[in-house]
Amino acid sequence: AQSVAQPEDQVNVAEGNPLTVKCTYSVSGNPYLFWYVQYPNRGLQFLLKYITGDNLVKGSYGFEAEFNKSQTSFHLKKPSALVSDSALYFCAVRSMNRDDKIIFGKGTRLHILP
Amino acid sequence: GAVVSQHPSWVICKSGTSVKIECRSLDFQATTMFWYRQFPKQSLMLMATSNEGSKATYEQGVEKDKFLINHASLTLSTLTVTSAHPEDSSFYICSAGEEGLVESTDTQYFGPGTRLTVL
Repeated sequence: AQSVAQPEDQVNVAEGNPLTVKCTYSVSGNPYLFWYVQYPNRGLQFLLKYITGDNLVKGSYGFEAEFNKSQTSFHLKKPSALVSDSALYFCAVRSMNRDDKIIFGKGTRLHILP
Repeated sequence: GAVVSQHPSWVICKSGTSVKIECRSLDFQATTMFWYRQFPKQSLMLMATSNEGSKATYEQGVEKDKFLINHASLTLSTLTVTSAHPEDSSFYICSAGEEGLVESTDTQYFGPGTRLTVL
């Protein structure tokens, strides 16, 4: 069975500081991993994904995520946070089995403090 | 990039009426679309998978007679909430995947969501 965990309900970071939003997963075999962002009363926007290759994936708005197979993690990072990064972030995972559906974490609310 | 639209963006209706929500893929074709429901401060709950030209696949616990899904074309899926009640009030989001691409990994592209309020 697939699962994904976002251990933090909320993360507070001062503007200009680096930020990390944590995600761990469990799948059979190799995973497809995704990060999405949701702004208030909006749908989800795709940020980045890991499929294969380089463990460090760069995405939209200066975000990046590092795939760590041994720790089964895919933490989202940004070197310098902006107030506009404040939003709800979802990690998602899917196995390479096309019969499996994508599974979303419960979300982490990111607050960037001015 | 892939764009998915939803209409309406919000709707208020009386209890007992039916509401139709449309989901369109604007610049790509999607044989499969997904309908999610999101409660306040919670994650997305997959309701059903909408398959073009065939019946939708519903997740356990989702009433198929209450949430009617029609996927009549490769760019349009509709969700009809029949005989809506206040407990159906929620944020409904659809998504579609980039299928048919060589490097398709089913990255999901989401619509902006529809806020349903049943009085």
